[in-house]
Amino acid sequence: KNEVEQSPQNLTAQEGEFITINCSYSVGISALHWLQQHPGGGIVSLFMLSSGKKKHGRLIATINIQEKHSSLHITASHPRDSAVYICAAQKTSYDKVIFGPGTSLSVIP
Amino acid sequence: EPEVTQTPSHQVTQMGQEVILHCVPISNHLYFYWYRQILGQKVEFLVSFYNNEISEKSEIFDDQFSVERPDGSNFTLKIRSTKLEDSAMYFCASGGGVLFFGPGTRLTVL
Repeated sequence: KNEVEQSPQNLTAQEGEFITINCSYSVGISALHWLQQHPGGGIVSLFMLSSGKKKHGRLIATINIQEKHSSLHITASHPRDSAVYICAAQKTSYDKVIFGPGTSLSVIP
Repeated sequence: EPEVTQTPSHQVTQMGQEVILHCVPISNHLYFYWYRQILGQKVEFLVSFYNNEISEKSEIFDDQFSVERPDGSNFTLKIRSTKLEDSAMYFCASGGGVLFFGPGTRLTVL
């Protein structure tokens, strides 16, 4: 069983829609990362969470440690948000991160 | 804004050849990592490096692979005798807490 799972695997949305991507993990963690990977391949760190909620612009990330679940929300989605969004779990500080399979998001104008 | 850099961006090599992938982590970071992503698959951990030694390595990181920090700024991944299945995107990362990823080196083994 994969230690980090994501749903959905693929997501197509109309511009302006509210988007939610879910992540569940089976390991104890010190931090949960949300990352973005564009078609060119580069990976950008969006959030690192250990509890609660973080917001950056139109992106919101939440985590429920007890349920081992995290969500990434995108408000007022835009075609430039089209990318693969990856959830990754980190067991201890400075430990490797364990990547989920990613969610491929396509936002259509 | 500080960034992790990687060179080359694309490396094409013949099977059996040695390749060295280069990374310059962010200068005040102490933890360094190599990950790889085979086309269409998820990112996989290869190795982590701290205090001039490997702190953890995955099953993928066999004797064909080695890492070095030859000077105060560079962090290299060497693949001694490349195989077709080594074709992948290789990402270097540095940090502690928030991770900063390099843009990746696409390795193609022919």
